[in-house]
Amino acid sequence: GAGVSQSPRYKVAKRGQDVALRCDPISGHVSLFWYQQALGQGPEFLTYFQNEAQLDKSGLPSDRFFAERPEGSVSTLKIQRTQQEDSAVYLCASSVTGANVLTFGAGSRLTVL
Amino acid sequence: RKEVEQDPGPFNVPEGATVAFNCTYSNSASQSFFWYRQDCRKEPKLLMSVYSSGNEDGRFTAQLNRASQYISLLIRDSKLSDSATYLCVVNKIQKLVFGTGTRLLVSP
Repeated sequence: GAGVSQSPRYKVAKRGQDVALRCDPISGHVSLFWYQQALGQGPEFLTYFQNEAQLDKSGLPSDRFFAERPEGSVSTLKIQRTQQEDSAVYLCASSVTGANVLTFGAGSRLTVL
Repeated sequence: RKEVEQDPGPFNVPEGATVAFNCTYSNSASQSFFWYRQDCRKEPKLLMSVYSSGNEDGRFTAQLNRASQYISLLIRDSKLSDSATYLCVVNKIQKLVFGTGTRLLVSP
């Protein structure tokens, strides 16, 4: 596709449920990033892939957060046992390589009740 | 202290005004710098890269001062369509670190 595609666009989960957020990057983009953006804040780095290798996961807030990109294309961010503080927009971005010019998807807005 | 600090605003300016935003960053090893624009409930989009020599793109001018670890964005002749949040961004070891953003509201 022409851009980065994320689904679902909106997700409401009850506290304790597991959620999975999908990112389809621009075809051929080697690097893929996940960011979390809380209301009124800038995006906060979660994790980074180069192809299928997860090179940096230092931003994942807890072991309830897990990301994968098994074939070096589509990526999934999974959040287990969701908590209210997980409510945020989860942004995926991709780049040809590296972390200079990123193209972001529209985001997945997660609300945990 | 946050790695990238910006005044959150909002900056309220009339159409045609000149407005300047600043940000400071803490990691002196940072190599690349950017301004991204984010409209309400939309994703961030690259506005421009920032170089030590300064760079200009139409009504927008960006400047980097490495010695002071300071980045600026100047918008001349503001348009209503410039209303958005402007995010100061620094590359740190293969990830982009974002400031909280400065909100600009341009009124008729």
